[in-house]
Amino acid sequence: GNSVTQMEGPVTLSEEAFLTINCTYTATGYPSLFWYVQYPGEGLQLLLKATKADDKGSNKGFEATYRKETTSFHLEKGSVQVSDSAVYFCALLIIQGAQKLVFGQGTRLTINP
Amino acid sequence: DGGITQSPKYLFRKEGQNVTLSCEQNLNHDAMYWYRQDPGQGLRLIYYSQIVNDFQKGDIAEGYSVSREKKESFPLTVTSAQKNPTAFYLCASSLRDRGYTGELFFGEGSRLTVL
Repeated sequence: GNSVTQMEGPVTLSEEAFLTINCTYTATGYPSLFWYVQYPGEGLQLLLKATKADDKGSNKGFEATYRKETTSFHLEKGSVQVSDSAVYFCALLIIQGAQKLVFGQGTRLTINP
Repeated sequence: DGGITQSPKYLFRKEGQNVTLSCEQNLNHDAMYWYRQDPGQGLRLIYYSQIVNDFQKGDIAEGYSVSREKKESFPLTVTSAQKNPTAFYLCASSLRDRGYTGELFFGEGSRLTVL
């Protein structure tokens, strides 16, 4: 079946540290991959996406590369800020008569000043 | 401003009672979705609707019901048959005619607590 696995949280870092949040997926074929972010008290919003192998999605200093050979889509940022504190969700898109997103369990990130 | 409005933000219910969560969007989106969020489990799809008067079950539809009488509205009823209804519920919408982009727009959520 289709599934997404993220690294366990919570993750706590100091400001300006390097961030990696791991994400691997299981799917039929080569689905589009996404990172969504949920800031405290808000709904989810799209952070970045990649639609095919070797694509790199980027936004707000975050990057993720679609790795077909390792079925991974790890999220990285070179220097995190306190404002990056949020829950991050990796997701894949499946098309079954409609578009449906399959989400990972989420990783809570806290950045300390 | 265009967006998705969910209400109420917080809701308390006694066991055995049905409760309806509201979701309204003014984005002119065709498709709407309901997800349930539980700690450590991510989001799971309850129901979705691509057009008015049509909807399909998602992965965890048991104990829930929906209607789609208007394009902008997609209310979710949590019935007494739902065995563990305490959760955070998220409504989302997306455009259909731009193809399958995977971009969903989410509301701020409704937190339901069963006492």
